[in-house]
Amino acid sequence: NAGVTQTPKFRVLKTGQSMTLLCAQDMNHEYMYWYRQDPGMGLRLIHYSVGEGTTAKGEVPDGYNVSRLKKQNFLLGLESAAPSQTSVYFCASSPPGGPREQFFGPGTRLTVL
Amino acid sequence: AQSVTQLGSHVSVSEGALVLLRCNYSSSVPPYLFWYVQYPNQGLQLLLKYTSAATLVKGINGFEAEFKKSETSFHLTKPSAHMSDAAEYFCAVSSMNRDDKIIFGKGTRLHILP
Repeated sequence: NAGVTQTPKFRVLKTGQSMTLLCAQDMNHEYMYWYRQDPGMGLRLIHYSVGEGTTAKGEVPDGYNVSRLKKQNFLLGLESAAPSQTSVYFCASSPPGGPREQFFGPGTRLTVL
Repeated sequence: AQSVTQLGSHVSVSEGALVLLRCNYSSSVPPYLFWYVQYPNQGLQLLLKYTSAATLVKGINGFEAEFKKSETSFHLTKPSAHMSDAAEYFCAVSSMNRDDKIIFGKGTRLHILP
């Protein structure tokens, strides 16, 4: 039982390049989330999904797109990376109903030059 | 709307001393409250959670937190700090409403002095 995994762990991009971050969970959770973490800013929600085939915008969605084609996977895309997107990205998942305790992945450290 | 305020972005305590990390919340409905810990270069992991049962909640690694509705607080404590407690701690609030998401505080970095 791997929990929540993220691929890749590290990535360096040049401004304007695109990339996709992959999140996978094996806990059969309905809800999945993408956050970014920046010093002094805490965690900020980018996009989330309440089930397969659904996505919704969070607090800071601009410049990102997501897809949830399979229940266990949640992809975060950057179409044209900018230096402001340099951050650590975390994926999380949670079961529906009740206190939505979230389970986090180990993070992806992204640097945009 | 819900919100969380963590008082102090950095807290330093001596090894063996009491740890107290402060969290105040705002919620228009009965809240669920969480404390998460993040060790360097890792994701967040749950320390403990309050879900309207007992107001004193015990978590992992000797931590506990007390829900005080009158003070809208959910402070995290540990009687005796250990070097391994050095990490960043996040307080978070949610509710049983279907559309509510977890709102995280900005975090408090705990430093343990030898």
